[in-house]
Amino acid sequence: SQTIHQWPATLVQPVGSPLSLECTVEGTSNPNLYWYRQAAGRGLQLLFYSVGIGQISSEVPQNLSASRPQDRQFILSSKKLLLSDSGFYLCAWTWSRAVSYTFGSGTRLTVV
Amino acid sequence: TQLLEQSPQFLSIQEGENLTVYCNSSSVFSSLQWYRQEPGEGPVLLVTVVTGGEVKKLKRLTFQFGDARKDSSLHITAAQPGDTGLYLCAGEEGAQKLVFGQGTRLTINP
Repeated sequence: SQTIHQWPATLVQPVGSPLSLECTVEGTSNPNLYWYRQAAGRGLQLLFYSVGIGQISSEVPQNLSASRPQDRQFILSSKKLLLSDSGFYLCAWTWSRAVSYTFGSGTRLTVV
Repeated sequence: TQLLEQSPQFLSIQEGENLTVYCNSSSVFSSLQWYRQEPGEGPVLLVTVVTGGEVKKLKRLTFQFGDARKDSSLHITAAQPGDTGLYLCAGEEGAQKLVFGQGTRLTINP
C-alpha cells in the first residue's frame, strides 16, 4: 500500500532562518506531488506541484521554493523565513491519471 | 484560478439535527471532491463526484454534484459529535490540480 510521510510535525523558526520540509511517498512510482499551505482552520492554497523529477511548477510568487531530487521525494525550502510564512504545510500525492489526493499529516510552522 | 465558495463557514448544531453545506462556483469542474480534516492532520477524502447531477451516499452523508457541474452540496442526516470537523470541497482545475474552498467548520454538540 502507498504511504506518505512528512516531517517534522512542528517547527518553530526565527525570522530570517532557512527552511527545509521533506515529504516522501512509498509504495508507488512517478506520483504527482503537491505542496499546499493552510491558514488556521481555512482552505488550502496550492504552492507547488511536480509531475516528475526536476519538474516544478509554482502557483504563487513567494518566499518559498520546491525541489524534487528523487521520484518520491518533494522538498519545500526557503533561504530566509518571513513571519508571513507561518502556517500549516501539507504535502499530497496522486497518480497521474487520478485526481483524488492523499495528504500527509502536515507540518505546523511558526516563524517568530 | 477558479474559485470555490463554501457556505456556511461555521456551523454549530445539536446532535440529531440535519445540515447541508454548499460549495458553489461560477466555473465548471470536471470533478469535485469533499474532504474532512481533523485538527493537526491532513484532509481525508470522503467522496469524488464526476457526473453532473450525480448523487452519492456514504452512510448518513449525501453528496450531490450540480447538473452544470458548478456546484455541490453535502447533507448530513442525524448529525453526531463524531461528525465534527472541517469539511472542504475541492474542484479539479486541470493537470490533476485541485482548487479548494475555504472550508466549513462543523461542530456537533451532544
